[in-house]
Amino acid sequence: DADVTQTPRNRITKTGKRIMLECSQTKGHDRMYWYRQDPGLGLRLIYYSFDVKDINKGEISDGYSVSRQAQAKFSLSLESAIPNQTALYFCATSVTNENTGELFFGEGSRLTVL
Amino acid sequence: GEDVEQSLFLSVREGDSSVINCTYTDSSSTYLYWYKQEPGAGLQLLTYIFSNMDMKQDQRLTVLLNKKDKHLSLRIADTQTGDSAIYFCVPAGGYNKLIFGAGTRLAVHP
Repeated sequence: DADVTQTPRNRITKTGKRIMLECSQTKGHDRMYWYRQDPGLGLRLIYYSFDVKDINKGEISDGYSVSRQAQAKFSLSLESAIPNQTALYFCATSVTNENTGELFFGEGSRLTVL
Repeated sequence: GEDVEQSLFLSVREGDSSVINCTYTDSSSTYLYWYKQEPGAGLQLLTYIFSNMDMKQDQRLTVLLNKKDKHLSLRIADTQTGDSAIYFCVPAGGYNKLIFGAGTRLAVHP
């Protein structure tokens, strides 16, 4: 089983709909992240959380919100989806004070907004 | 903001060496990573180098860092079809501030 699990893996929705992408991890890591990937743009950070009571905006947080329900769960919401939020979304985790700072990624959630 | 530049595509013949180049702007990067993304999958850490090193070798992988020119390269020796993927150069500037470039798509052909 994957250590970082994202649901749903694929979702097609319409403009204006509310969408939630969920991420859960069994790695015991304290830090969790949401990125989006667009062709030719690489990955951009949306939100990150260093522990359950800590939420921080990344470089492209407008139009998104997050909730850290537990150490193992971090969800991303689009309150009113728009077509330019069509992208591949990745959840990632890491552990504080780990030397390499390695991120562990889920397999991605592909979102299409029509 | 900070930036990372990589060529978008590289095509090599199976058995040849691949060299993926990257330039970056953040001079404060302590670690510089290479992540690999296989088709339909998330990213995985491939290798990394500390900013006080010039070179790191790890089996078929060689990472070269020119800190003065802010240039990082990844060489894959004896490239195989399983190496076909997108490779991301990722400087870590500041605490947990990873900067992802667009990635280089490596295609390996017979």
